[in-house]
Amino acid sequence: GAVVSQHPSWVICKSGTSVKIECRSLDFQATTMFWYRQFPKQSLMLMATSNEGSKATYEQGVEKDKFLINHASLTLSTLTVTSAHPEDSSFYICSASQFSGNTIYFGEGSWLTVV
Amino acid sequence: RKEVEQDPGPFNVPEGATVAFNCTYSNSASQSFFWYRQDCRKEPKLLMSVYSSGNEDGRFTAQLNRASQYISLLIRDSKLSDSATYLCVVSPNTGNQFYFGTGTSLTVIP
Repeated sequence: GAVVSQHPSWVICKSGTSVKIECRSLDFQATTMFWYRQFPKQSLMLMATSNEGSKATYEQGVEKDKFLINHASLTLSTLTVTSAHPEDSSFYICSASQFSGNTIYFGEGSWLTVV
Repeated sequence: RKEVEQDPGPFNVPEGATVAFNCTYSNSASQSFFWYRQDCRKEPKLLMSVYSSGNEDGRFTAQLNRASQYISLLIRDSKLSDSATYLCVVSPNTGNQFYFGTGTSLTVIP
């Protein structure tokens, strides 16, 4: 079946630095990818919808200048957390939609800890 | 009103019990429905799609009620390994919009 890969799985960074997380669809082309954040014991929160070749669509309350999304190809979207702060520490998950299948597949997630 | 509403639980049931979750959606034009399972500290994984005619996979049965705008997931003969959070996902079209429920937490007790 379709596979979505996310990297890195774990990252620790210093406050004020930037961190990039990659999301790749391994065996299908994804015109759309989604980025979520999940705090412990809370539900998934959609941050933005990443569209190949165009700007991402951000959910209300998500700072687009802080969470930079680039979807440069049909198989890769990146999320960059800029000027990270401890409150950005969370589980970040991406998902990708097969264009014709309308089923979404999730990456393994990335645990970000900002110290 | 939220696009998708789901009882967060938690549901604590003994092994062997039957448990059912419901998920309501607000957009009557919704076309695609899914149940995902999320284990602690892991990503959600597709459990099953929900078809108009209902579908069954072993101990799991999913049903769609368009008139009342809800989907359900029934788990029979609960196993300890069924303990997880179950997310319903609804898509209004064949494009790329997906709406998630908040998830229902299930714990199966020995």
